[in-house]
Amino acid sequence: AQRVTQPEKLLSVFKGAPVELKCNYSYSGSPELFWYVQYSRQRLQLLLRHISRESIKGFTADLNKGETSFHLKKPFAQEEDSAMYYCALHNQGGKLIFGQGTELSVKP
Amino acid sequence: DGGITQSPKYLFRKEGQNVTLSCEQNLNHDAMYWYRQDPGQGLRLIYYSQIVNDFQKGDIAEGYSVSREKKESFPLTVTSAQKNPTAFYLCASSSSGGAGSPLHFGNGTRLTVT
Repeated sequence: AQRVTQPEKLLSVFKGAPVELKCNYSYSGSPELFWYVQYSRQRLQLLLRHISRESIKGFTADLNKGETSFHLKKPFAQEEDSAMYYCALHNQGGKLIFGQGTELSVKP
Repeated sequence: DGGITQSPKYLFRKEGQNVTLSCEQNLNHDAMYWYRQDPGQGLRLIYYSQIVNDFQKGDIAEGYSVSREKKESFPLTVTSAQKNPTAFYLCASSSSGGAGSPLHFGNGTRLTVT
């Protein structure tokens, strides 16, 4: 079964602390993985995708096929990073499957 | 301003009534999607369409129907057969629908059925 799992509903850290939002997936093919973010009162938007190997707003995510993971990391969290984060898998059939989401709260 | 427009923002209906949610995009995207967002459950795919006049069921299609008569429009009808229709509904589009093509989302419609 194709599935995306985000084990943490809520992650709370202090400003300046490292943050890691976990994402594990289940997919038999070659996955296309994404992180989407929803800031308060804004629409859901793309944060980054694994094929780009880019760093957006200080966030990075590495695809680990052995562990079937795509964890999102940032070395120093900022208050403006507080948001809802969704990991998503795009399968070959055109479906985008989302995880349950993790709410990140960065405290001053 | 290019993007996806969902209307209305809030919608109230009585139980037993069908209701149609509007989704329009001017991004010239081929693929469009409908998701339902519930607390603690993330986004669940209702229907998606990769091309005009064609659409596929997602994971929770029961009680919903869609049409894709025009490239820019993908309306969702919540029928009286949907057992728990009260939810936040998100529409999205992508350029090709292929893997690797990111989604652009609308602002959502919050439907309340009493």
